[in-house]
Amino acid sequence: QSALTQPASVSGSPGQSITISCTGTSSDVGRYNYVSWYRQHPGRAPKLVIFDVNNRPSGISNRFSGSKSGNTASLTISGLQAEDEADYYCSSYTISSTLVFGGGTKLTVL
Amino acid sequence: EVQLVESGGGLVKPGGSLRLSCATSGFTFSSYSLNWVRQAPGKGLEWVSLISSGSNFIYYADSVKGRFTISRDNAKNSLYLQMNSLRAEDTALYYCARDRLSNSGSYGIDYWGQGTLVTVSS
Repeated sequence: QSALTQPASVSGSPGQSITISCTGTSSDVGRYNYVSWYRQHPGRAPKLVIFDVNNRPSGISNRFSGSKSGNTASLTISGLQAEDEADYYCSSYTISSTLVFGGGTKLTVL
Repeated sequence: EVQLVESGGGLVKPGGSLRLSCATSGFTFSSYSLNWVRQAPGKGLEWVSLISSGSNFIYYADSVKGRFTISRDNAKNSLYLQMNSLRAEDTALYYCARDRLSNSGSYGIDYWGQGTLVTVSS
């Protein structure tokens, strides 16, 4: 199972919006609505920010939103804040009942 | 509060074995599927294995199939990963992670432990 494809890095200024893409195949992202997104600050464990494409866990800001079109899912963060600077990973359930992650995207808040 | 605490990591020679453990609390352990996910130093996340709530369904990444064995003890609220024939490329921080659903596959992670470091080197 190949990793999902994410851009290596994205950046934005405080207050702006950014979008991170996550491209898979018809065997994972394109087939199921089980795409999740995680934020990982340096030296910390990942934290779930979006599940099932566009659902936010309790306690996650509504500045985080998700969507999907075909084989590509996207995470949008609006009103960028300094605390949003982190690595972001997507994951998807696969046709083999396993989980596949994206390669990760480093978000820099300028 | 959901807690997952890994232990058992350390330095091991290539070809050696190690058993990781994950002690959990704060949720009904027997109702959830559990995963192991690893992260090599400076690299991204890699899913390793899943075991369903009743141990009926077990899956492995191709990179560890035949060398790693996942298991759980619902009476002790604990998850395990037996790692044999270790290679340098198995060097990583290993996370114990709760699956969002209790179905037969791995649908995404809602809680993560802090990880235990495994280093494979001569």
